Amino acid sequence: DAKTTQPPSMDCAEGRAANLPCNHSTISGNEYVYWYRQIHSQGPQYIIHGLKNNETNEMASLIITEDRKSSTLILPHATLRDTAVYYCIVRVDSSGNTGKLIFGQGTTLQVKP
Amino acid sequence: DSGVTQTPKHLITATGQRVTLRCSPRSGDLSVYWYQQSLDQGLQFLIQYYNGEERAKGNILERFSAQQFPDLHSELNLSSLELGDSALYFCASSVGPGTGAWDEQFFGPGTRLTVL
Repeated sequence: DAKTTQPPSMDCAEGRAANLPCNHSTISGNEYVYWYRQIHSQGPQYIIHGLKNNETNEMASLIITEDRKSSTLILPHATLRDTAVYYCIVRVDSSGNTGKLIFGQGTTLQVKP
Repeated sequence: DSGVTQTPKHLITATGQRVTLRCSPRSGDLSVYWYQQSLDQGLQFLIQYYNGEERAKGNILERFSAQQFPDLHSELNLSSLELGDSALYFCASSVGPGTGAWDEQFFGPGTRLTVL
């Protein structure tokens, strides 16, 4: 699975959009980009995933660049409860895959009032 | 609430001891994954079971073992415990074997193990 690079920390004002970047320059054609978050020692929580098209769900939007070498997770209106560590993970989708997730260090997002 | 349950929530034990962590997956999920989160190593994949069979192994120590039972609950056994085994242990479950992009994992609340 390709390696990802994320900034170690970011701040965001409450009510504003939080844009969390992720670089995955070695991503291959059948690898998906996943985002999970972990709120203070709780179990990680799935947020969203995508292959090449932009994706949106009730939690967030995922923007993937055309060359797929980077992506941005957008929380449109951040609240204090969005303060967490956000993990960007690249994972292959194939019959040989096992489903294991390889977590990096993630980005600690601090939402401030 | 993810639907994944883990017991116990906290466990304090001494070096050299053996403990068992238990995980019940979401109803209908066939895969169970175990992860370890320590301060210096971050979140690390240990092992995956799918429908009772071991499917993938990560950096799991030989002192650690796991199994998945016919009712699909799983247990992680940690033996000859060392101070460095102190960590949060998470269990996750998914519907399938993890081959599809749709096969997202749902994590339990974790078991905090402290080895003194």
